[in-house]
Amino acid sequence: AQSVTQLDSHVSVSEGTPVLLRCNYSSSYSPSLFWYVQHPNKGLQLLLKYTSAATLVKGINGFEAEFKKSETSFHLTKPSAHMSDAAEYFCVVSDRPHKLIFGTGTRLQVFP
Amino acid sequence: DAGVIQSPRHEVTEMGQEVTLRCKPISGHNSLFWYRQTMMRGLELLIYFNNNVPIDDSGMPEDRFSAKMPNASFSTLKIQPSEPRDSAVYFCASSFIAGGDTDTQYFGPGTRLTVL
Repeated sequence: AQSVTQLDSHVSVSEGTPVLLRCNYSSSYSPSLFWYVQHPNKGLQLLLKYTSAATLVKGINGFEAEFKKSETSFHLTKPSAHMSDAAEYFCVVSDRPHKLIFGTGTRLQVFP
Repeated sequence: DAGVIQSPRHEVTEMGQEVTLRCKPISGHNSLFWYRQTMMRGLELLIYFNNNVPIDDSGMPEDRFSAKMPNASFSTLKIQPSEPRDSAVYFCASSFIAGGDTDTQYFGPGTRLTVL
């Protein structure tokens, strides 16, 4: 069975400092992995997607994630946080076309 | 493209009333999903349609919930009768799935349902 664990429920950073949001997954097959972002009272927006083409995936708004099979991890990073990055971030795993399994989310706070 | 469109954005109703949520997927997409988001359970898939046919409804909580997709551009999620525990944000998403590939799901803005 597939699952995803987001290791931090809350992360706080200062504007201009790096962001690291951690995600570990479990899957019996070669999974697809996603990061989605949800701003307050908004829908979910895709940040980036991994589908085995390259282990380092670049997404929108300067975010990127690295797939590490040996560590079963897919951590999300950004070199320099911006105030507008404050939101909820979801790590998602899928090994079937229609079945997305969402993590519990990480709330990112960015302080000035 | 306008993206996935959901209506209403907010719905407040009283226990026992019928509630209908509406979704228009992105044109050209062949798959549609209804999700429910709560603090306690996070994001849960309720039902998945492919080419207007319900494929997986194992997430539908109980018989009070029903979903239809009469054509490629419209779907409804109905709750009858509604109960306070149905209060949640309901998201609709669409994607184009071909040849067994997982593809990106695009989410609508959600409907925040409050049942008093």
